[in-house]
Amino acid sequence: KAGVTQTPRYLIKTRGQQVTLSCSPISGHRSVSWYQQTPGQGLQFLFEYFSETQRNKGNFPGRFSGRQFSNSRSEMNVSTLELGDSALYLCASNDAGNSYEQYFGPGTRLTVT
Amino acid sequence: QQQVKQSPQSLIVQKGGISIINCAYENTAFDYFPWYQQFPGKGPALLIAIRPDVSEKKEGRFTISFNKSAKQFSLHIMDSQPGDSATYFCAAIVSGNTGKLIFGQGTTLQVKP
Repeated sequence: KAGVTQTPRYLIKTRGQQVTLSCSPISGHRSVSWYQQTPGQGLQFLFEYFSETQRNKGNFPGRFSGRQFSNSRSEMNVSTLELGDSALYLCASNDAGNSYEQYFGPGTRLTVT
Repeated sequence: QQQVKQSPQSLIVQKGGISIINCAYENTAFDYFPWYQQFPGKGPALLIAIRPDVSEKKEGRFTISFNKSAKQFSLHIMDSQPGDSATYFCAAIVSGNTGKLIFGQGTTLQVKP
């Protein structure tokens, strides 16, 4: 099976702009979670989508949003970018059954200037 | 609020030695404890995981020891190799919240040849 894929891999944006990141889960996986990784804060949970519905949400401002499509692919959007949003954004997929195993993609490196 | 505390922050081990990374938690609702390995430029990869009803789990050179009463768990890497040099994260999931990993701060392991 192909792994989790994320596009784009690298992105440079300017403060105030918005950005959309994409994640394709492992085939058959119905849950997609998003995480932000920074040197200072480590790995922090953003949100989880299952069956096109947000099932869990972390402690991030409303500028961070996401959605999931019927094929389980997911996108996350960050509006009004701030310098502090520079991070590696990771998505992970899970089969949403009894397994708790989450498999991560390679991430999207976002730099805000 | 940091719910999973990981130590040490960094670790240097000689080739062939044992690497030990420790994690502690407070939330007794956690019921799944995975360890992830991350190489530079890559997403975290699931290494090994344990449930609280088991005190130890071994997969190859990697062993998780779990102490439910002390709310602590640790990763042991036997016969450490230079290829094991990476950042290791412990994590935990609350029962029922399969899509939300709570991560420790990470440990950077360097195995010297």
